[in-house]
Amino acid sequence: NAGVTQTPKFQVLKTGQSMTLQCAQDMNHNSMYWYRQDPGMGLRLIYYSASEGTTDKGEVPNGYNVSRLNKREFSLRLESAAPSQTSVYFCASLGGVNTEAFFGQGTRLTVV
Amino acid sequence: DQQVKQNSPSLSVQEGRISILNCDYTNSMFDYFLWYKKYPAEGPTFLISISSIKDKNEDGRFTVFLNKSAKHLSLHIVPSQPGDSAVYFCAAIDYKLSFGAGTTVTVRA
Repeated sequence: NAGVTQTPKFQVLKTGQSMTLQCAQDMNHNSMYWYRQDPGMGLRLIYYSASEGTTDKGEVPNGYNVSRLNKREFSLRLESAAPSQTSVYFCASLGGVNTEAFFGQGTRLTVV
Repeated sequence: DQQVKQNSPSLSVQEGRISILNCDYTNSMFDYFLWYKKYPAEGPTFLISISSIKDKNEDGRFTVFLNKSAKHLSLHIVPSQPGDSAVYFCAAIDYKLSFGAGTTVTVRA
């Protein structure tokens, strides 16, 4: 039982490069989320998708785009990476109201 | 503007004693609250939750208290164990899941 799977686990980018972080869940959850974790800032919401076909901005969406490809997959794209996007990125999925969210293992991204 | 606030970045407690972690929120539409635990290089894992219609929920050594009028919740860990050393995040749900900044707990032997 995989739960939430994120790829890659580690990535180093040069400023200006683009990349897509992949996330897939096998729990048939409707809602999926992308967070970034920075020291002293906790988990800040980048984008979320309440259901297949919908996406909404969170607290810190600038510089990112997302795609809810289907119910299982929710990808996060950096079109032109900046050093300020150096962070650990977590994907999560949520089954419904009054339930817990499950997290992936994270992607550690460094932009140089 | 962060709607979920954990104002204590760190907490150090002796093994066997109680750990109390606090969390405040500003959004009265939150109706479900959760605590997550996170070890380094791992994703957060669910610890315990409470619905807004309750004021207390227990699960083993972990108890969460909710004071809706004060918009405050707390997590009690009794007794604290060395394996409890981790970062603890408070979270809340209205139509999305929002987190606080986290509290790093260190349990001293």
